[in-house]
Amino acid sequence: DIQMTQSPSSLSASVGDRVTITCRASQGIRNDLNWYLQKPGKAPKRLIYAASSLQSGVPSRFSGSGSGTEFTFTISSLQPEDFATYYCLQYNTFPLTFGGGTKVEIK
Amino acid sequence: EVQLVESGGGVVRPGGSLTLSCVASGFTFEDYAMSWVRQLPGKGLEWVTGIKWNGGDAGYVDSVKGRFSISRDNTKNSLSLQMNSLRAEDTALYYCARGQSGGWSSAPEYWGQGTLVTVSS
Repeated sequence: DIQMTQSPSSLSASVGDRVTITCRASQGIRNDLNWYLQKPGKAPKRLIYAASSLQSGVPSRFSGSGSGTEFTFTISSLQPEDFATYYCLQYNTFPLTFGGGTKVEIK
Repeated sequence: EVQLVESGGGVVRPGGSLTLSCVASGFTFEDYAMSWVRQLPGKGLEWVTGIKWNGGDAGYVDSVKGRFSISRDNTKNSLSLQMNSLRAEDTALYYCARGQSGGWSSAPEYWGQGTLVTVSS
């Protein structure tokens, strides 16, 4: 199975901060990677697909980049509604595998 | 608007069985792969199984292979997960998800709100 190593596992940030999360794949996955946001008690929501494509309706402060084994997710200016847990998911190789998640908390 | 509504969760004893259901609306069900993803209490996400748009192929994570079976009825816009020989480690919130495309390994795009399965004696 492809291991997705997501870092950091948690971070504290303030409104307006730039936040960056990284996912590293144990082998190359081209750009077959999504990013999801999950708020407590809610279902995950897809934000980014194919590593860098923004889901329709998602604010442009969210972005993704990378290919192969290294991927980055960025929130350019953190907003109050962005405090949540973020997950990456690779879908290049069966079985699909998620990163461990990054909890973004208020500083 | 895409809607996915799961049902069928509950408490079951180890070794028991349970069937989860998911009813879809707001899109052409037969065009998309569907999957089940679970989340252990307070933990991360695990893709469990996915099924091709026409039901012709499916895949399972090793931990459920031979115990779980996914199926779909495109005439009823419904997805099912038959879970047998349940174990304590299967305790989780199970999400139904619509894929990005038609292949069975298609990544989830839209998710339901989940149904809770608790395996306990």
